[in-house]
Amino acid sequence: KQEVTQIPAALSVPEGENLVLNCSFTDSAIYNLQWFRQDPGKGLTSLLLIQSSQREQTSGRLNASLDKSSGRSTLYIAASQPGDSATYLCAGTFSGGYNKLIFGAGTRLAVHP
Amino acid sequence: DGGITQSPKYLFRKEGQNVTLSCEQNLNHDAMYWYRQDPGQGLRLIYYSQIVNDFQKGDIAEGYSVSREKKESFPLTVTSAQKNPTAFYLCASSITSGGTGELFFGEGSRLTVL
Repeated sequence: KQEVTQIPAALSVPEGENLVLNCSFTDSAIYNLQWFRQDPGKGLTSLLLIQSSQREQTSGRLNASLDKSSGRSTLYIAASQPGDSATYLCAGTFSGGYNKLIFGAGTRLAVHP
Repeated sequence: DGGITQSPKYLFRKEGQNVTLSCEQNLNHDAMYWYRQDPGQGLRLIYYSQIVNDFQKGDIAEGYSVSREKKESFPLTVTSAQKNPTAFYLCASSITSGGTGELFFGEGSRLTVL
């Protein structure tokens, strides 16, 4: 069974800290992995998408990596700000499940001043 | 602006009633999806459609129905057969051929059964 896991479920850090959010998946036959941000009561905003042929993607202070052999992806947030406080979800599309994303439960991030 | 519009944002239903959630996109995407989100859980796929007049069941389709009569529209009906319909519902869309597979989401509809 294809599963996506995110640990920890919640994280609280002081402003300015660099942090890493973790995502693991059970099936190495991954087509792509997507990171999303979700604010309370809102929809999901796509942050980064990594194709299976790529190792990482960067957007501003965000960097996402993908290691298929170990079944892991990380989202690195540099110089965190209170505005980064949200829930971050990762989701993978796997071979045989075209465009059917399997989601992790998310990591709820709080960045305090 | 291109995007996905879901309505209503909040909906209350009495037990035994069917309700329909609207999802419209002007991104010219071929594929559309409905996900359900419960507190503390990841999103679960209800139904998806990769082309007009065709749709497939996802992981939790029981008690739900959809139609795809137009490319831009993918309404979801929550029927009285759905035993625990209170949840946050999210619609998404993506390009199929020639795309990266990236999904774009609407703002969601929160359904509460009274």
